[in-house]
Amino acid sequence: GAGVSQSPRYKVAKRGQDVALRCDPISGHVSLFWYQQALGQGPEFLTYFQNEAQLDKSGLPSDRFFAERPEGSVSTLKIQRTQQEDSAVYLCASSPTVGKDYNEQFFGPGTRLTVL
Amino acid sequence: AQKVTQAQTEISVVEKEDVTLDCVYETRDTTYYLFWYKQPPSGELVFLIRRNSFDEQNEISGRYSWNFQKSTSSFNFTITASQVVDSAVYFCALSGGVWGGSEKLVFGKGTKLTVNP
Repeated sequence: GAGVSQSPRYKVAKRGQDVALRCDPISGHVSLFWYQQALGQGPEFLTYFQNEAQLDKSGLPSDRFFAERPEGSVSTLKIQRTQQEDSAVYLCASSPTVGKDYNEQFFGPGTRLTVL
Repeated sequence: AQKVTQAQTEISVVEKEDVTLDCVYETRDTTYYLFWYKQPPSGELVFLIRRNSFDEQNEISGRYSWNFQKSTSSFNFTITASQVVDSAVYFCALSGGVWGGSEKLVFGKGTKLTVNP
């Protein structure tokens, strides 16, 4: 498929464990976003990349959260020493910056993280 | 700061009824974009529409229509003759910037629509 893919789809972690969530954007999309969606809430912005540059990380809730996109394609969101309040769905979106779909963010299916 | 308010938490209608989902936004940007997304039970966000702040024309797409009014900072979404498949959570969102594509989305809390047969 040509859409945004995320893995794993579900992750259960014990409190204190580190987790890594992967996002494969649509090929050629320059922009990549991570959002966190708590149960019953709207998605909230975490961080944004343009190619490999992380241009905005203002939404990362703590220094336990770290994101990277080293080659400007696949991105990984890492959460260290997970806490129960980290339980949420983590959504990745990619967007072109030119063309008819510019400014439209295409979302992946999300990774549901449960911290016990 | 940007903010999106969806005052209706849940709406329940019977099939074939018309339903309007309200969205009110706040922004200091003179150029901005408004969006509606649908999130069915499967969880994936589905893009419905994008509107820029300079285009106040209402839009109709099949059973869906959108009413953008800058004077009241509202961007309401109407589904005509609702169907069971319309049951989902609907999110209104806002982004700033001239070029778009590089601006984070600010989402409302969503409105859960249930269409009963």
